[in-house]
Amino acid sequence: EVQLVESGGGLVQPGRSLKLSCLASGFTFSNYGMNWIRQAPGKGLEWVASISSSSSYIYYADTVKGRFTISRDNAKNTLYLQMTSLRSEDTALYYCARKYFDYWGQGVMVTVSS
Amino acid sequence: DVVLTQTPPTLSATIGQSVSISCRSSQSLLHSNGNTYLHWLLQRPGQSPQLLIYLVSRLESGVPNRFSGSGSGTDFTLKISGVEAEDLGVYYCVQGTHAPYTFGAGTKLELK
Repeated sequence: EVQLVESGGGLVQPGRSLKLSCLASGFTFSNYGMNWIRQAPGKGLEWVASISSSSSYIYYADTVKGRFTISRDNAKNTLYLQMTSLRSEDTALYYCARKYFDYWGQGVMVTVSS
Repeated sequence: DVVLTQTPPTLSATIGQSVSISCRSSQSLLHSNGNTYLHWLLQRPGQSPQLLIYLVSRLESGVPNRFSGSGSGTDFTLKISGVEAEDLGVYYCVQGTHAPYTFGAGTKLELK
């Protein structure tokens, strides 16, 4: 069974950093590109970043470019999102999802507030 | 960036009614490799999104065949042939052809 489990969320002050993780199981992680998607409270889905299977191709939304870094460790079956210079508008439920959006985690909440 | 415009924003339906949702792209979603990376998702209240249709018209495994997708280029449609109570929620189209990838704003399907 494919599972994606996010962790690392929480309450953080504006300007600080946070690193999210997504532990994958039930499939060959190193064969798949991965995405981070977020959803602000009561809002729609916003794609954040994606990374190819070998980390050769990485893309970001304009809203996070220069502040967020997506990475992966195929030996650990884990996807990461390093978030820096956090803003109140980054407050959201963050999901990891497989390349074609066929599997999603349950999401992890990030709240940016003083 | 590609803008996906979904209509209508809200849809009221009775059980058994057939409904359609439109997703229009600001540019063609045909990739140079010949694929069109336009997918449809459903997010039920309190749940993570689930994939319904991928590559415009391919039904994801386990998804009832009352769901169908069609379209090409910039115009795409999701059709539900006979709404059931479990279909309620917010439907999103998403494109993976042009980075940055983008989602439509969503269409909320409610019971009339």
